Amino acid sequence: AQTVTQSQPEMSVQEAETVTLSCTYDTSESDYYLFWYKQPPSRQMILVIRQEAYKQQNATENRFSVNFQKAAKSFSLKISDSQLGDAAMYFCAYRSGSGGSNYKLTFGKGTLLTVNP
Amino acid sequence: NAGVMQNPRHLVRRRGQEARLRCSPMKGHSHVYWYRQLPEEGLKFMVYLQKENIIDESGMPKERFSAEFPKEGPSILRIQQVVRGDSAAYFCASSPRDRSYEQYFGPGTRLTVT
Repeated sequence: AQTVTQSQPEMSVQEAETVTLSCTYDTSESDYYLFWYKQPPSRQMILVIRQEAYKQQNATENRFSVNFQKAAKSFSLKISDSQLGDAAMYFCAYRSGSGGSNYKLTFGKGTLLTVNP
Repeated sequence: NAGVMQNPRHLVRRRGQEARLRCSPMKGHSHVYWYRQLPEEGLKFMVYLQKENIIDESGMPKERFSAEFPKEGPSILRIQQVVRGDSAAYFCASSPRDRSYEQYFGPGTRLTVT
């Protein structure tokens, strides 16, 4: 079974600075997707960014980018120019790309990000 | 285009009562997934449904829990005879038929069992 590990329960960053959240995963599959979700105090789960394992290029969405290291099974999220609205719990998630259960998302336990003004 | 809707947002039940959680997927989405988030944990998959079909309920407890997605109306997650351990946030997600990797989440229902 796949597992997702987020080793940083909490992180903090100064407004306008850059922060990197870590995520590692364990899988024997070669085809899969990785995601970062944001959960603000409202508890709504918001998709931040998605990476397909077959793509070598790291995904980028505005101030959010990932560092995807397939061999190391590492998928970190970098937030540039942090804003107060970025404060939230961030979850890393894995999904198989093929096979019978390629719809289940497996989540890590989350990293609570605080943004200091 | 309205997002995934869940109601109620908060639900309080006494031990032994029944809880019914509703989920209306995004327009055009025919696949629904339910996840549970226990305190201090990430979300865990419970069940995957298509219209009138349960595709995978491997993450759902065998007893007291059931889910349905009828031809008309919202998907329902039903918990009978609730216990304190059922207290959690329950999230519903939906996806288009041909893009299950695009799961859009609702705001969740926080169930508190007293």
